[in-house]
Amino acid sequence: AQKVTQAQTEISVVEKEDVTLDCVYETRDTTYYLFWYKQPPSGELVFLIRRNSFDEQNEISGRYSWNFQKSTSSFNFTITASQVVDSAVYFCALSGGSSNTGKLIFGQGTTLQVKP
Amino acid sequence: DVKVTQSSRYLVKRTGEKVFLECVQDMDHENMFWYRQDPGLGLRLIYFSYDVKMKEKGDIPEGYSVSREKKERFSLILESASTNQTSMYLCASSGWGGGQETQYFGPGTRLLVL
Repeated sequence: AQKVTQAQTEISVVEKEDVTLDCVYETRDTTYYLFWYKQPPSGELVFLIRRNSFDEQNEISGRYSWNFQKSTSSFNFTITASQVVDSAVYFCALSGGSSNTGKLIFGQGTTLQVKP
Repeated sequence: DVKVTQSSRYLVKRTGEKVFLECVQDMDHENMFWYRQDPGLGLRLIYFSYDVKMKEKGDIPEGYSVSREKKERFSLILESASTNQTSMYLCASSGWGGGQETQYFGPGTRLLVL
């Protein structure tokens, strides 16, 4: 069975602090895909990144970076120098390579509050 | 840019009413999905469709039905709304690449059933 665990329910930081959101996954597929989404207070889920299981290279996009480690089944997300606009719920999600419909398994989400 | 739109941002209905939630995507995507989101339960898949007139049950289909008569439009139907269907409903779409395809979401509909 596939599963995604985001153990951190809520995180609160002060602006300019770095913060890491944890994501641990379980899957039996050898090919799979991992995603991060951001859900601001407006409600829409905004796609941030997709990673396939064959690419363990870390990725950086501005203040965002992602650390994918197959050995620990983790796909963690770090925000550097956080800003108030980063306040949102962040979801990690998994889809299997054997799926032809792209069904996503979501974690429970981590609520990030960045205080000024 | 991919655009997924939902017919209403907020909706208030009475118990027993038939409710239609509409979702439209403009990217010619094959797959479309309906989720509900509740505090502490995350996102749960209600139904999805991989082609016109095709549908499959997700994890929590009870009390819901769907319709996909055109590729760009996917409707969620609450046959007889109940208070436990008060929730945030999110629609998404993706291409026909299977698990590698990114799902793009609409803005969501917050439904309150009184």
